[in-house]
Amino acid sequence: EAQVTQNPRYLITVTGKKLTVTCSQNMNHEYMSWYRQDPGLGLRQIYYSMNVEVTDKGDVPEGYKVSRKEKRNFPLILESPSPNQTSLYFCASSQTDRGLYEQYFGPGTRLTVT
Amino acid sequence: TQLLEQSPQFLSIQEGENLTVYCNSSSVFSSLQWYRQEPGEGPVLLVTVVTGGEVKKLKRLTFQFGDARKDSSLHITAAQPGDTGLYLCAGVWGSGYALNFGKGTSLLVTP
Repeated sequence: EAQVTQNPRYLITVTGKKLTVTCSQNMNHEYMSWYRQDPGLGLRQIYYSMNVEVTDKGDVPEGYKVSRKEKRNFPLILESPSPNQTSLYFCASSQTDRGLYEQYFGPGTRLTVT
Repeated sequence: TQLLEQSPQFLSIQEGENLTVYCNSSSVFSSLQWYRQEPGEGPVLLVTVVTGGEVKKLKRLTFQFGDARKDSSLHITAAQPGDTGLYLCAGVWGSGYALNFGKGTSLLVTP
C-alpha cells in the first residue's frame, strides 16, 4: 500500500529536550515536505526537499532542522523545542515530473511542548 | 509567500443543500489543488486543475478554475454528512516548488 508514515503520532515533551519526528514514504517520490497546522493559521510549510541531499526552507523554518540522506526518509528535528512549537505536524511527499506537486500526507504527529 | 484566501471560513448546512466555497489569489497559479481533511487525519487530494476555465467533476463535487487562473471554486450538490470536513485549496505559482495552502473552509453537514 502506498503511504507516508510518521512516528510518533503523539508526543509530549519538555522545553529544550531534543526530539526527532520520523517520516518515510514508499512511493519513490522525489519531493518531501514538512508542514505544521495551527488553528487560525492553516497549514504552513516548514522545510521541503526536492531530492536526496537537497533541502530548502519553507515559510516557518525557525527552530527546525531536516535532513534527506535517503530518498524515502525525511526526519524533522527540533534541537531545543519551545512551547510555541506545540502543533500538529504533517509530512508529505509527491512526484515532481509533472510539476504539480500533488501531496500525499502522513497521518500527522501531535506535539505538545510544556 | 503568496496569499491564498478561502471563503467562507465556516459553513454549516443541512443534508441535501448545495454549497460553494471559494479560493482566491491576486497572483496567477500554474496549478491549483483541492484537499479534504477529516479530524485527526492528514489532508487527502481531491483534484488538481491546471487550465484556465477548466471544470472537473468528482461525483457530487464540481471544481472550477477561473479563466485567468487566479481563483477556483468547489461546488457540492446535495451535501451529505459524509462531506463534513476541512476543505483546503493549495496553489503552485510559476515554476516554484512550494505549495501554499489557504486556511481552509470548515464544512459541517447535519442530517
